[in-house]
Amino acid sequence: GQNIDQPTEMTATEGAIVQINCTYQTSGFNGLFWYQQHAGEAPTFLSYNVLDGLEEKGRFSSFLSRSKGYSYLLLKELQMKDSASYLCAVLDSNYQLIWGAGTKLIIKP
Amino acid sequence: GAVVSQHPSWVICKSGTSVKIECRSLDFQATTMFWYRQFPKQSLMLMATSNEGSKATYEQGVEKDKFLINHASLTLSTLTVTSAHPEDSSFYICSAPTDEWGEQYFGPGTRLTVT
Repeated sequence: GQNIDQPTEMTATEGAIVQINCTYQTSGFNGLFWYQQHAGEAPTFLSYNVLDGLEEKGRFSSFLSRSKGYSYLLLKELQMKDSASYLCAVLDSNYQLIWGAGTKLIIKP
Repeated sequence: GAVVSQHPSWVICKSGTSVKIECRSLDFQATTMFWYRQFPKQSLMLMATSNEGSKATYEQGVEKDKFLINHASLTLSTLTVTSAHPEDSSFYICSAPTDEWGEQYFGPGTRLTVT
């Protein structure tokens, strides 16, 4: 079966750095997405990785290792507004998005 | 970036009635749109893939006669929840890719409450 694992919940301090991991086992791979979702809102796109390595975009970076079936989202200089759920999703060989359950990130002052 | 709209943003209906939710791609054409459902504190669950000009593809466990999907044009897909029950209360979100494998653009979601 297809499976995506990410931690259920994480807590971090304002101004700090946090890394949210995602491991996947899917039938084929056509890219991995990270989305941010605030409570009661639709997800918003953060990043897309299809090749191994680190993609940096401002305070957010995303890393991919296809051989390990592993990705992480790195958030720097955390702000209170970063409190949200972070969803990892993989595009499989049929170009279908397989979603992780999401990681709820709680930022404390 | 591309914009996807949904209407209504929230709706309350009585048990047994039907509710139609519209999903529109405002500045691009979408031959495919996806419908998701999200229960509180849970992840998105794909319900069906809407294909312009052909029948929708439903995920296992989703009743196609209860959740009617019509993708009548390249910019509009509709989801009709028929004979709604309280357990259908959820957050319904549509999305559309701008190309075959690209980024998904999400609508703002529709919160359905069935009383």
